[in-house]
Amino acid sequence: QQQVKQSPQSLIVQKGGISIINCAYENTAFDYFPWYQQFPGKGPALLIAIRPDVSEKKEGRFTISFNKSAKQFSLHIMDSQPGDSATYFCAASSGNNDMRFGAGTRLTVKP
Amino acid sequence: NAGVTQTPKFRILKIGQSMTLQCTQDMNHNYMYWYRQDPGMGLKLIYYSVGAGITDKGEVPNGYNVSRSTTEDFPLRLELAAPSQTSVYFCASSYGAGFDTQYFGPGTRLTVL
Repeated sequence: QQQVKQSPQSLIVQKGGISIINCAYENTAFDYFPWYQQFPGKGPALLIAIRPDVSEKKEGRFTISFNKSAKQFSLHIMDSQPGDSATYFCAASSGNNDMRFGAGTRLTVKP
Repeated sequence: NAGVTQTPKFRILKIGQSMTLQCTQDMNHNYMYWYRQDPGMGLKLIYYSVGAGITDKGEVPNGYNVSRSTTEDFPLRLELAAPSQTSVYFCASSYGAGFDTQYFGPGTRLTVL
């Protein structure tokens, strides 16, 4: 049973375009929602995270939108660049040590 | 700081063999984790530790064991390797619990034949 569902599985975007990755969760006890970026052959690295007391968080070109009532959150990458090509994972936890990850989205940004 | 280091980077095991995956962090983090990453499945937590001498099971602990004798080291032991344990294994650490950033190592790619 996957507690965090992520879509799409893969995404191809032109340089300068907007990349959007969506996640949905089931457990209403989740209250921390990070996004991780992973390049081939590397470990995941935290990109941006949000708590449910806000509906949006922006850091540079990366924005998380959060909809508590729908139990959904999404990552928007503005002005996507070839260097953004990576696999992105959403995750959720309830502040304990058991973080649940989505299946990942492989993003390719074409020059 | 080297961050989180893992050895080996790659390993091929035969069914029934055993091995230990090493993980070391130099950030004085209290919390350490072991995840496995399978294609199309995201990361799943195997075991975690909240400090030296304290470990607990995660989502998929069967077939694995861990120990935490020091703050820095958190080895993962596979006793009887099975093909189902073919995966990429990541170690991570964080200063505090769930809301703190987890820092990941580069991973160990394990194949069991």
